[in-house]
Amino acid sequence: GAGVSQSPSNKVTEKGKDVELRCDPISGHTALYWYRQSLGQGLEFLIYFQGNSAPDKSGLPSDRFSAERTGGSVSTLTIQRTQQEDSAVYLCASSLGLRGEETQYFGPGTRLLVL
Amino acid sequence: GQQLNQSPQSMFIQEGEDVSMNCTSSSIFNTWLWYKQDPGEGPVLLIALYKAGELTSNGRLTAQFGITRKDSFLNISASIPSDVGIYFCAGSQGAQKLVFGQGTRLTINP
Repeated sequence: GAGVSQSPSNKVTEKGKDVELRCDPISGHTALYWYRQSLGQGLEFLIYFQGNSAPDKSGLPSDRFSAERTGGSVSTLTIQRTQQEDSAVYLCASSLGLRGEETQYFGPGTRLLVL
Repeated sequence: GQQLNQSPQSMFIQEGEDVSMNCTSSSIFNTWLWYKQDPGEGPVLLIALYKAGELTSNGRLTAQFGITRKDSFLNISASIPSDVGIYFCAGSQGAQKLVFGQGTRLTINP
């Protein structure tokens, strides 16, 4: 597709359940990023992929959060044993991954609500 | 974590007025970006700045990359209703994570 796509667009889950969020980056973009945006706040970095490897996982808030990327394309963010404080919009972005071409393009996000 | 200081947090203006917002940081960034986010959407890139001192325009929008590489501003001239939204600055230190400001919420009275 022309842009970054994410699914599902909305997810409501019960506390303690696991959730998987998916991101399809722009074709040809080697770098992929996950961010979290709480209500009324700016974006908080979670993890960055270059190809299939994740050189920077520093933003993952706890070991309940994990992410993987396969084939240098699609990425999945998994949250295990969800808590109410995990409720937020999870945004994915991609970029060419080249020095001087750091511009990141964002998807529409997945709105997660943990009850 | 690291964060940019963005101001003002909110603006209430009349249609046709000019708007100015800025971001400052204690750290040096190699790239400054300005995004706009509409309700229920992801941020959309408005302007990207790659060189200290660079002044770039995109229609009614003008942004500058501060000479110290620690600040940037965004100006919007002759505001129109569709300019309503939240504007975010973001800084990059390489092909890695972006650090975001807290956003400026722009409201326009017709």
